[in-house]
Amino acid sequence: TQLLEQSPQFLSIQEGENLTVYCNSSSVFSSLQWYRQEPGEGPVLLVTVVTGGEVKKLKRLTFQFGDARKDSSLHITAAQPGDTGLYLCAGRNNAGNMLTFGGGTRLMVKP
Amino acid sequence: NAGVTQTPKFQVLKTGQSMTLQCAQDMNHNSMYWYRQDPGMGLRLIYYSASEGTTDKGEVPNGYNVSRLNKREFSLRLESAAPSQTSVYFCASRSILSGNTIYFGEGSWLTVV
Repeated sequence: TQLLEQSPQFLSIQEGENLTVYCNSSSVFSSLQWYRQEPGEGPVLLVTVVTGGEVKKLKRLTFQFGDARKDSSLHITAAQPGDTGLYLCAGRNNAGNMLTFGGGTRLMVKP
Repeated sequence: NAGVTQTPKFQVLKTGQSMTLQCAQDMNHNSMYWYRQDPGMGLRLIYYSASEGTTDKGEVPNGYNVSRLNKREFSLRLESAAPSQTSVYFCASRSILSGNTIYFGEGSWLTVV
């Protein structure tokens, strides 16, 4: 089983602050995805990173895939209350048939 | 678009009872999945179906069975529910054509007492 560890598990910050969430593994993934989940709903895909070292930006969110394709980070600039939610990383195995999720980072942004 | 639809949304079972969670997708996806989500543990794969007529075990298949009834429908059955199966269950389907995007249903909250 390929394990993904996310840190921190919980994060409470003030509006306007920056933050980084980490997703680490000892395993190599063919791709890695980040999801955001709101209470009472299923996760929604934010981004997929495929190439080692790849950086993708989605407005105030910056996603990076590690050079060795074992880890990833999500950086949010000037967080807003609307960013509140559970952020999940998920790595796809080389066979492409299984997606392993990390334990999630629960973010709360206070106005 | 309905996307991925799961029923029921909430269910309370007594230990030993059986039930089936239904899932249907209207996006013509080949692959479908059942996950469970528990606090601090992200989502864990129970079973998946890469295509109509095939099913495979995921990380935590014990206590569950699945049926891929047709391309649209993928059901999850608990034959004899246990309190350890109290969880939120998510059905999902995958589109290879749009970058391996996985679309999730809204979840089914199951409590076993």
